[in-house]
Amino acid sequence: DTGVSQNPRHKITKRGQNVTFRCDPISEHNRLYWYRQTLGQGPEFLTYFQNEAQLEKSRLLSDRFSAERPKGSFSTLEIQRTEQGDSAMYLCASSLYPHEQYFGPGTRLTVT
Amino acid sequence: AQSVTQLDSQVPVFEEAPVELRCNYSSSVSVYLFWYVQYPNQGLQLLLKYLSGSTLVESINGFEAEFNKSQTSFHLRKPSVHISDTAEYFCAVKGDDMRFGAGTRLTVKP
Repeated sequence: DTGVSQNPRHKITKRGQNVTFRCDPISEHNRLYWYRQTLGQGPEFLTYFQNEAQLEKSRLLSDRFSAERPKGSFSTLEIQRTEQGDSAMYLCASSLYPHEQYFGPGTRLTVT
Repeated sequence: AQSVTQLDSQVPVFEEAPVELRCNYSSSVSVYLFWYVQYPNQGLQLLLKYLSGSTLVESINGFEAEFNKSQTSFHLRKPSVHISDTAEYFCAVKGDDMRFGAGTRLTVKP
């Protein structure tokens, strides 16, 4: 197993477009997390799945954001009608135990 | 909710010198504490964690951190740094949810 993978690694989009990111967790991990990281800041929690159930959502996750994990394996994060303020690094992490998260390399989103 | 403060945004040191990266937190509930490291162009990696038991925890590459409940701190230390330790270090606290500090950029100079 090569760890958590995220695709694409970079995404440039125009304001108003929709984007979707994918996260493939470590295979036996049932927990999956999405974070957002802006320049000069630490990651901010967005949402959390245990298997296919979305158990927690941050207030940061506006109505334009939606995340799914349909079969309890990979997850997608979609941002609709992107805004320049959405430009950030989007990180995915997975874990088998609640206190040991393994992070992917992230998807860097630039909204022009 | 919790909050995390990393007191230094940048720490430049010379190779083989000791280093301390400071982390303070606030929380109204019991917490678990973590340090993550992010090397250039890579994802975050768990460096060490405090869940319970001994307040001094160590990593495999010579870092250690001590949980100080009275001072609500979890400072990261290494007695002698290497060029390869150059990276961004994030302190994180898990209580109700997971909160990260803003990060400390450690630059080790030859």
